[in-house]
Amino acid sequence: EAQVTQNPRYLITVTGKKLTVTCSQNMNHEYMSWYRQDPGLGLRQIYYSMNVEVTDKGDVPEGYKVSRKEKRNFPLILESPSPNQTSLYFCASSLVPGSGQETQYFGPGTRLLVL
Amino acid sequence: EDQVTQSPEALRLQEGESSSLNCSYTVSGLRGLFWYRQDPGKGPEFLFTLYSAGEEKEKERLKATLTKKESFLHITAPKPEDSATYLCAVQAFGYSTLTFGKGTMLLVSP
Repeated sequence: EAQVTQNPRYLITVTGKKLTVTCSQNMNHEYMSWYRQDPGLGLRQIYYSMNVEVTDKGDVPEGYKVSRKEKRNFPLILESPSPNQTSLYFCASSLVPGSGQETQYFGPGTRLLVL
Repeated sequence: EDQVTQSPEALRLQEGESSSLNCSYTVSGLRGLFWYRQDPGKGPEFLFTLYSAGEEKEKERLKATLTKKESFLHITAPKPEDSATYLCAVQAFGYSTLTFGKGTMLLVSP
């Protein structure tokens, strides 16, 4: 089954404790992206990656890091989480933009609470 | 800067009562406009992609249309299972990112 998986699905942590949210896709997609979703603000892009070892900032990258060492994986790293990073996070993947098949497929989400 | 505005923010319909959701956009050059459905606590689920003005796509009770300034998602004879938040997003030429609207929360009562 074609899918995007994220782990963990729920996470409660404390300010300053480094954490990683994993994302994996099995569709051989080149493009992967991270979003956060907050009430009243909608979905906002954090980082994206066009391919292995190619990453770039989205609209709200502050406080986040990403890496793309393998095509299928795109982890999101919070080096020193703060309460304003409490949010619902989604990973998404698609074929490369411009291919005519830009549809992004989303993971199930990771709900993060930073105390 | 690309912008997407969806209206209304929330819509309540009776089962069988048809209506439309609006997505107004400004973008430097539209590569594609996307509609997604999102159920509470879940990831957005792809519905349609529209690429050029005049294009229409249908899926079951849903029909999406596109003009140069807006897109409509028409819902014909909705059922309670159509209740969800519907998201619109645009992608500009030369950019790989999506800009999302805040969504329309649809509730269909039996």
